[in-house]
Amino acid sequence: GENVEQHPSTLSVQEGDSAVIKCTYSDSASNYFPWYKQELGKRPQLIIDIRSNVGEKKDQRIAVTLNKTAKHFSLHITETQPEDSAVYFCAASSYGGSQGNLIFGKGTKLSVKP
Amino acid sequence: DARVTQTPRHKVTEMGQEVTMRCQPILGHNTVFWYRQTMMQGLELLAYFRNRAPLDDSGMPKDRFSAEMPDATLATLKIQPSEPRDSAVYFCASGLVRVYSGNTIYFGEGSWLTVV
Repeated sequence: GENVEQHPSTLSVQEGDSAVIKCTYSDSASNYFPWYKQELGKRPQLIIDIRSNVGEKKDQRIAVTLNKTAKHFSLHITETQPEDSAVYFCAASSYGGSQGNLIFGKGTKLSVKP
Repeated sequence: DARVTQTPRHKVTEMGQEVTMRCQPILGHNTVFWYRQTMMQGLELLAYFRNRAPLDDSGMPKDRFSAEMPDATLATLKIQPSEPRDSAVYFCASGLVRVYSGNTIYFGEGSWLTVV
């Protein structure tokens, strides 16, 4: 089955700096890679996703890159703000068949210091 | 604004008691997931259903956990008997998942379970 590794587990940056979170996956059949943000005591919420036919996707200050050959994908947050402080989860899924579950990394706790 | 609804939101129970958590997925979604979240293990997939049929429950301890979807509007996760190590947040999520096309899944607010 799929296995997703996520690094780092904690990340502290100064407001205005960039933050990068990296994930690797094991199943070469995976073709959908979402990122979720979870604030303290809240549910995970999707912030951006990418499919395997795309190498990069951007939404304002957030971007995700995918390297299918190396089986890794990354989340980039630019101009970080205190409200970006949360736990971020990457996930991978394969829809090439009747399955289609979503396996998550262990999460990265991002702290943005004012 | 369609949402996944979970009950109860909080539950404190004694070891050995039965716990049932319920989930109402978003209308029209064909896939329902149960995840367990702890500090140590992160988000673990326990089980999931497609069009109400169980697809995979390999992440679930079979001796005490059971998951069912009696109809399209209700998914249940039952623990019997409960143990202190089951204390966690249990999330239900649903999505419209199509073969060869990933899609967003939406999480409920979670059921915070404490077994004492």
